[in-house]
Amino acid sequence: NAGVTQTPKFQVLKTGQSMTLQCAQDMNHNSMYWYRQDPGMGLRLIYYSASEGTTDKGEVPNGYNVSRLNKREFSLRLESAAPSQTSVYFCASSEGTPHVQFFGPGTRLTVL
Amino acid sequence: GQQLNQSPQSMFIQEGEDVSMNCTSSSIFNTWLWYKQEPGEGPVLLIALYKAGELTSNGRLTAQFGITRKDSFLNISASIPSDVGIYFCAGSRDRTTDSWGKLQFGAGTQVVVTP
Repeated sequence: NAGVTQTPKFQVLKTGQSMTLQCAQDMNHNSMYWYRQDPGMGLRLIYYSASEGTTDKGEVPNGYNVSRLNKREFSLRLESAAPSQTSVYFCASSEGTPHVQFFGPGTRLTVL
Repeated sequence: GQQLNQSPQSMFIQEGEDVSMNCTSSSIFNTWLWYKQEPGEGPVLLIALYKAGELTSNGRLTAQFGITRKDSFLNISASIPSDVGIYFCAGSRDRTTDSWGKLQFGAGTQVVVTP
């Protein structure tokens, strides 16, 4: 039982490049989330998916797209990376309610 | 999304001391959660609170759901070196609000424990 897994763990991009961050959970949770974490700012919600087939914008969605591929997987795509997107990205999942979320280990992204 | 106000921002304490931190908001919350994040890892849930006035313990950790539903407190007793990390509060609001389905996070309290 791995919980929430994320790939890759680290990534360096040049400005304008694109990439997809992958997230998968094996807890059969309905809801999944993408956050970014910047120093001194806690966690800010980028996008979330309340259930398979639905996605909604969070607090900071600009520059990102998401896909809820199936119940297990929720990917985050940067179409044209910018230095302002340098951050640590966390995926989380929860059991249908917004309460208790379980987090993955994070992806550390640097955009040069 | 408005962040919760979490204080203090950081704490430098000696091993064996007690630690207290709190989280406040101008809005009412239905659920308060406390997470701990260690370097290079994702946040891990410590305690979940679901009722105003609720006091819940998890080992040396005790958290309380404020009676006004606008605040929460976390205490760590007899700190040890492995308590080092960033502690985050998070809250979720009522189903009737537009923030239903989302957690709001505090900015975190960095705890450093010296021997």
